Amino acid sequence: GQQLNQSPQSMFIQEGEDVSMNCTSSSIFNTWLWYKQDPGEGPVLLIALYKAGELTSNGRLTAQFGITRKDSFLNISASIPSDVGIYFCAGQRGSGNTPLVFGKGTRLSVIA
Amino acid sequence: NAGVTQTPKFQVLKTGQSMTLQCAQDMNHNSMYWYRQDPGMGLRLIYYSASEGTTDKGEVPNGYNVSRLNKREFSLRLESAAPSQTSVYFCATEDRGGGAFFGQGTRLTVV
Repeated sequence: GQQLNQSPQSMFIQEGEDVSMNCTSSSIFNTWLWYKQDPGEGPVLLIALYKAGELTSNGRLTAQFGITRKDSFLNISASIPSDVGIYFCAGQRGSGNTPLVFGKGTRLSVIA
Repeated sequence: NAGVTQTPKFQVLKTGQSMTLQCAQDMNHNSMYWYRQDPGMGLRLIYYSASEGTTDKGEVPNGYNVSRLNKREFSLRLESAAPSQTSVYFCATEDRGGGAFFGQGTRLTVV
């Protein structure tokens, strides 16, 4: 079954606020990834993390690969209405060509 | 460059009917995956193919079969559809740890 615990399940925030969500696992992953899904679309890759302790940014998004390799977080700064969607974390055990394990998602709503 | 293309986008089946979901990629990736997405459940792996000619079961394979026809195409077949298979199905491709790329999904309803 699902092995990634993602929290929170949902968030309602005011436009301009910062957002933080995280993902934890009981086992180690070699790669952590964060995806965003808009309604009616497939998930789109936001950030990929490959080394323990790595901190990577993509515009207003920042993600970190936890030191223990069992967790990761995603921060969104100065949220805007188009940030609305479902955010998924995913872990990959191998170095590639192995299936991703997904969290259940964080549904983000932004109030203008 | 289409990336990952899934057909059909929508489908309604009666219980017991069969159908095949098609997926094609032009990214030259080795690995291809089929996931299903249900409300509150995230994405669960049905089957995957690490390379042409190989397939393996994922977390929820019962009621499904797959075929890796060639490097580009990976199909998912429902032999006898059940209402529990009502879901959104996503195909994805990945290569060498660069992250998976998803199609737009097939929305399947079994009545």
